[in-house]
Amino acid sequence: NAGVTQTPKFRVLKTGQSMTLLCAQDMNHEYMYWYRQDPGMGLRLIHYSVGEGTTAKGEVPDGYNVSRLKKQNFLLGLESAAPSQTSVYFCASSRTGLARETQYFGPGTRLLVL
Amino acid sequence: AQTVTQSQPEMSVQEAETVTLSCTYDTSENNYYLFWYKQPPSRQMILVIRQEAYKQQNATENRFSVNFQKAAKSFSLKISDSQLGDTAMYFCASMSGGTSYGKLTFGQGTILTVHP
Repeated sequence: NAGVTQTPKFRVLKTGQSMTLLCAQDMNHEYMYWYRQDPGMGLRLIHYSVGEGTTAKGEVPDGYNVSRLKKQNFLLGLESAAPSQTSVYFCASSRTGLARETQYFGPGTRLLVL
Repeated sequence: AQTVTQSQPEMSVQEAETVTLSCTYDTSENNYYLFWYKQPPSRQMILVIRQEAYKQQNATENRFSVNFQKAAKSFSLKISDSQLGDTAMYFCASMSGGTSYGKLTFGQGTILTVHP
C-alpha cells in the first residue's frame, strides 16, 4: 500500500514548455486534489475531482488543466509554463469529501520554471 | 469564504518542553472543522489533529492538544514534551462541514524547531 505517489519529484522547465504531473493513489479514494505551496502562503487548491471523469476548479486554477480518466490517477497539466508557476505541488486524496475523512497527501513535486 | 491566519512564522523550543502554536480563523458557517497538519523536512503532509466546531471538548492526540476558543475564533496547538522529531512546519486549516467537497483552507504555516 503506497498511499499517494507523485511523479516526478523535481523538474526544471523553461518558460513556455509544457508538462504533466502525475498523481496516483491505491486506496480506492473517490476524491482527489491538487494544491500548490508557495512561501508565506500555505497550500492553495488548484483543482479537484469528486470521482472518475469529473474535475472542478479550486482557488487558483488559471494556467492549469486536469484530468481524471482513471479513478486512481489525477493528472495536472501546464500547457505553457510561466515563472509564476514555480512552486511545490501536492496531490491529496480522500475517501469522501466529508471533513471527518482524512486527506492523504503525496510527497510533493518541486517545479522550477526558468 | 473561510480564512485562516497563523501569525508566528517561526518558533523554537527546547526538547522536552511545551510549545503552543497560534491560529485564528474566520468563517460565516456554524458547521466546520479545524485541523493541524505537520510538514517535516521530507515535505510529507501529515494530519496531526482534527476538531469539530460543534464539539466543545478540545481534541487531543497523545502529546498534541488544541485550545479551541469558538467565540474568539482561535485554534491553538499545544505540543507537550517536545521531541526532535516534532521539528517541522505546522499548518492550521479549516473546512466547511457541509458540502465542501473536501476543500481545505490553509494558513501560512509556522516553522517549529526543537533544539536538543
